Parts: sequence; structure tokens; C-alpha cells
Amino acid sequence: KAGVTQTPRYLIKTRGQQVTLSCSPISGHRSVSWYQQTPGQGLQFLFEYFSETQRNKGNFPGRFSGRQFSNSRSEMNVSTLELGDSALYLCASSYGLAGPKETQYFGPGTRLLVL
Amino acid sequence: QQQVKQSPQSLIVQKGGISIINCAYENTAFDYFPWYQQFPGKGPALLIAIRPDVSEKKEGRFTISFNKSAKQFSLHIMDSQPGDSATYFCAASRGNYGQNFVFGPGTRLSVLP
Repeated sequence: KAGVTQTPRYLIKTRGQQVTLSCSPISGHRSVSWYQQTPGQGLQFLFEYFSETQRNKGNFPGRFSGRQFSNSRSEMNVSTLELGDSALYLCASSYGLAGPKETQYFGPGTRLLVL
Repeated sequence: QQQVKQSPQSLIVQKGGISIINCAYENTAFDYFPWYQQFPGKGPALLIAIRPDVSEKKEGRFTISFNKSAKQFSLHIMDSQPGDSATYFCAASRGNYGQNFVFGPGTRLSVLP
């Protein structure tokens, strides 16, 4: 079974631009969660999508948004990029039926650098 | 109250030694405590997890010890190997609805050959 894939793997943007990251979950998984990982703040939960609906949301500003398509693929968008948005963005997928106690599988991440 | 504290920040252990990483939480509503292992260039991978109704869980060389009254839990890696060198994150979540984890800041483990 193919793992979670994320594209692109690396991205360089400038302040004020917007960016869209993509995540393809493991086949059969309907839950996709997004995380931001930085050296200073560690791993922080952004949001979770299940069956095209946002089911959980972390404590990030509205510049961070996401969506999920009918095939469970998900995108996250960051508008008006700030230097502090430079991070590794990870997505994770799971079946989404058993809550947090269900194993979620992480992709390799997209490394975003904002200049 | 949502924070999970983790120590040490980094750890160096000789091959064959025991690696111990500690975590503490405040929110008593947390009811699921997983540990993740992350290698450079990779996403985290679930290593082992425990619920608060169990005081210890062992899987191979990895053991979680859980102290509900102290709101602390720890990861023990027995017979540590160089291949265990990675960053380890503890996490906590609550409820049965969706995925919503709070992660510790991570511990970078180096196992010397």
C-alpha cells in the first residue's frame, strides 16, 4: 500500500505571497490532518478533515485554511505569508473512524521557506 | 493546560544502554498518550501508545510507564541501538472524535556505537 504523499517537497516563497500544499492519503483513509513543525514551536496541529468537512481545528490564524476533496486528497493554503510561516508542513492520514486512538500515518512533509 | 512538557531536550546513550524520556501534562481530560519516532527527512511514525487505565505497556524494547496521579509518562528504550537515533515526541489527545494531538517539544536521541 502506498504511503502518504505530499507535494511539493520543498517550496520557497516571499512574504505576502500565498501557497497551496497537497496531500494524498493512504488509499481507504478518509481523515487527513495537517501539522506545522518548527524548531521553536515543535509539532502543532492545524486542522483535520474527514469526508470533505473540517472536523477539528487547532489554534492558527485564518490565513491557514484547508479543504478536502471527494477522493480524500487534501490541500492546505496559507495566504499572506509571513517569515514565521517557514516550517515543515506534515499531513497525516487515518481511516478516521476511531478517533485519536486510531493510528495515523504521516507523510514526509513539505518544507516551506518564506523569504 | 493544553501543553505537554518533555525532557530531556537531547540525550546521548551508549549502545546497549537504556534511554529514558519523560513527559508531563496538565489537562486531566487527556486519555490517550502516543509516542512518535521521527528520523531526519521523514514524518513522525507511531511507536507505542498507552491509555491512562494502564500503568505500563511494553512492545519489544520499548516500554511506556504511566503515572496517572503525577500526570507523567515516560518512554524507556532498552538495549538502545544506533538505529534508534532519532527524535522522539510524546503526545496527548482526548475524546473519541477526530485527530487532535498536543505534542511535546521532542527529544533528540543519539545512540553511540
